[in-house]
Amino acid sequence: QSALTQPASVSGSPGQSITISCTGTSSDVGSYNLVSWYQQHPGKAPKLMIYEGSKRPSGVSNRFSGSKSGNTASLTISGLQAEDEADYYCCSYAGSSTYVVFGGGTKLTVL
Amino acid sequence: QLQLQESGPGLVKPSETLSLTCTVSGGSISSSSYYWGWIRQPPGKGLEWIGSIYYSGSTYYNPSLKSRVTISVDTSKNQFSLKLSSVTAADTAVYYCARHCPGDYMDVWGKGTTVTVSS
Repeated sequence: QSALTQPASVSGSPGQSITISCTGTSSDVGSYNLVSWYQQHPGKAPKLMIYEGSKRPSGVSNRFSGSKSGNTASLTISGLQAEDEADYYCCSYAGSSTYVVFGGGTKLTVL
Repeated sequence: QLQLQESGPGLVKPSETLSLTCTVSGGSISSSSYYWGWIRQPPGKGLEWIGSIYYSGSTYYNPSLKSRVTISVDTSKNQFSLKLSSVTAADTAVYYCARHCPGDYMDVWGKGTTVTVSS
């Protein structure tokens, strides 16, 4: 069982927007603005999409955005494209005892 | 640009020690601010952070694996390594190394290496 809770799957049609939630606790997501999001295509290494809650690395499309409310972080993908179909993982700093925790992952299907 | 490459045996026997090395190229492992980490992914499952190390040797580990994990660094070779002892089939996974940034995110990843625990 993962420390952070994500929906197992989400889907959307090309051009639409989708949001993936990542629910933690007051010990991780709720206490720090240190949530990151990763995209993983089958057989590939994860790719950083969002860091420190809402920052995008150079080269990542501005269709990807991150936010947080309370103990829940969210990744929103707007203008869905076929290439966005992948697994997405959230990650958070969880204090000086646990350090880093991942969510269980969400499979995004572009219909 | 910075690249990371994992290497090591693809098959380990139960109860033995898994040993992997990550070679960093295109940059120095001694760069200030960055840690260097190991993450694994069992077949069909999610990501699990194993632990991370600073070039000075300072480490921090996943509490659930801490009793079995040792991460070390060799700055002369621009490498860092993972040892996981007393492995079982549950340790079968793709193992990734990555650069671990101050905001506790991993921005550069290796391609991963598959390790199977089986007799």
